[in-house]
Amino acid sequence: NAGVTQTPKFRILKIGQSMTLQCTQDMNHNYMYWYRQDPGMGLKLIYYSVGAGITDKGEVPNGYNVSRSTTEDFPLRLELAAPSQTSVYFCASSYSTLTGGASGGTYEQYFGPGTRLTVT
Amino acid sequence: QKEVEQNSGPLSVPEGAIASLNCTYSDRGSQSFFWYRQYSGKSPELIMFIYSNGDKEDGRFTAQLNKASQYVSLLIRDSQPSDSATYLCAVKEGGGTSYGKLTFGQGTILTVHP
Repeated sequence: NAGVTQTPKFRILKIGQSMTLQCTQDMNHNYMYWYRQDPGMGLKLIYYSVGAGITDKGEVPNGYNVSRSTTEDFPLRLELAAPSQTSVYFCASSYSTLTGGASGGTYEQYFGPGTRLTVT
Repeated sequence: QKEVEQNSGPLSVPEGAIASLNCTYSDRGSQSFFWYRQYSGKSPELIMFIYSNGDKEDGRFTAQLNKASQYVSLLIRDSQPSDSATYLCAVKEGGGTSYGKLTFGQGTILTVHP
């Protein structure tokens, strides 16, 4: 199992350019997430998906878009890149049964290695 | 706005000592609590999770949860230089529509010196 993979590892964009960050997981997890992490800060949720065809906004969705056509893939699209989008982006996945219990049916999130993006 | 607060540190402890990392959260409905370790330039990796009040031990790590005080902590016994990292506290919302969403604290930098 490769787990969660992300490409590219690094990217430099000019202001106004667009790009797609790729994320793939091979654990058959139904839930997937995109986070950004600014220096010295925790992770902030950008978008998440509970299954193929179902996505929703997180805490900081502006300037981003996502799609989920398959269980495995959850790409993040940046349109009209801005310097404020300079950050490290992490994709994560988890399994959920939605059957309640002490954990609420959702288990730990597994993270990809991240994409370091600079917008200049 | 749900908040998770951590002392950003850095927290410096000598090798072999106990490191104590603390986290408070604002949402009383929070259901699950996670501690992630993140080495510089790497992605977060899960080291502990806890759902119920009290202590949970796993090797050198102990997570403590007090829901009444909205407080969760992580103790690392016999700290090693390899434990030097940023420790992220994450809190999962309660309720069936949380979809596993986590709110992260800003992380505490731990340095274990020989």
